Amino acid sequence: NAGVTQTPKFRILKIGQSMTLQCTQDMNHNYMYWYRQDPGMGLKLIYYSVGAGITDKGEVPNGYNVSRSTTEDFPLRLELAAPSQTSVYFCASSYGTSGRVGRTDTQYFGPGTRLTVL
Amino acid sequence: GDSVTQMEGPVTLSEEAFLTINCTYTATGYPSLFWYVQYPGEGLQLLLKATKADDKGSNKGFEATYRKETTSFHLEKGSVQVSDSAVYFCAPLSGGYQKVTFGIGTKLQVIP
Repeated sequence: NAGVTQTPKFRILKIGQSMTLQCTQDMNHNYMYWYRQDPGMGLKLIYYSVGAGITDKGEVPNGYNVSRSTTEDFPLRLELAAPSQTSVYFCASSYGTSGRVGRTDTQYFGPGTRLTVL
Repeated sequence: GDSVTQMEGPVTLSEEAFLTINCTYTATGYPSLFWYVQYPGEGLQLLLKATKADDKGSNKGFEATYRKETTSFHLEKGSVQVSDSAVYFCAPLSGGYQKVTFGIGTKLQVIP
């Protein structure tokens, strides 16, 4: 049971390039999330998904896109990289019950992707 | 919306010292309360949680009590170790799928 895995661990992009951050979980969790972590700013929610085929915006979605074609995978797409997207990105998942997260649901995090845009 | 206030740190302590990291929150309804810990170079992981008033969550010597009247969930440990050096996040979870609000994190450095 690998939990939540993310690839790549590190990446450097040039302004205007695009890339996809991969996230996979093997816990059969319904809910998945993408966060970014900036120094002194805590975690900000980018996008989340409550199940395959269902995604929605979080607090800071601009410049990103997601898809959820399977329960296991939740990739995050950056189309036109900008320096403001330099950050550490974390994927997380939680069990969730039909329609909403249970009040005691724990989120399980991947190890993160450190992205630098130059 | 929900919000969390916790000390930013860094908090520097000597080994075996007593630790308190304060956390206060505002949230709609009756949230569950979590502390997550992030060790260097890793993702966050659950440290402890409490789901109702006066509940005490505990793990690895850490404790926190759900204080509804003061909307607080302060983290304590009686004797810290060097291995406790990490960033600690307070996080209330209100009803609804995206309503986990993370604090800014408090960095703890424990020196031998």
